Amino acid sequence: EDQVTQSPEALRLQEGESSSLNCSYTVSGLRGLFWYRQDPGKGPEFLFTLYSAGEEKEKERLKATLTKKESFLHITAPKPEDSATYLCAVQANGGATNKLIFGTGTLLAVQP
Amino acid sequence: EAGVAQSPRYKIIEKRQSVAFWCNPISGHATLYWYQQILGQGPKLLIQFQNNGVVDDSQLPKDRFSAERLKGVDSTLKIQPAKLEDSAVYLCASPSGLVTPSGANVLTFGAGSRLTVL
Repeated sequence: EDQVTQSPEALRLQEGESSSLNCSYTVSGLRGLFWYRQDPGKGPEFLFTLYSAGEEKEKERLKATLTKKESFLHITAPKPEDSATYLCAVQANGGATNKLIFGTGTLLAVQP
Repeated sequence: EAGVAQSPRYKIIEKRQSVAFWCNPISGHATLYWYQQILGQGPKLLIQFQNNGVVDDSQLPKDRFSAERLKGVDSTLKIQPAKLEDSAVYLCASPSGLVTPSGANVLTFGAGSRLTVL
């Protein structure tokens, strides 16, 4: 069964304190791994998609990396506006559906 | 390109009552998804449409949930009768048009409809 596990569940950082969020996945065949950001009261907002082991993507203070078993979202020198829930999801190969299977998310709080 | 529109944003009902949510996806895309997000959890797929047809409804509680997509454009998700455990945010999504070389589709989500069942 395709599965996504995220850790930690919650993370509190001081402004400027770098850290990483983990996403471990089990999937029959990976078509793509996705990172989304979700602010309170809003829908998930797309950040990155990765599909090949060794691939890296960057956007401002965020960098996503991918191996055959997990993905990391590295946050460098975070600011309070980076506070949000970060969701990881996978899309599997095969079948008629290209649904996303999500993890439970990491709630990040960055304090000034 | 306009985003995914959903209404209502909030709804409070008593258990055993009924409720309906509406979604208008990104224009021109044949695929539409309804996800359920319970507080503290990630979104879970309820149903996927391709045009008017259902592709995947394996996790839809069919004894109380129903969905339709008339004319292959907007969609309605209905719950009748509602239970306490149906309290959640109901998210609608459609492909954004971004596709990776591996064929992965980036989905765009609406703001969601928050349901509270008392």
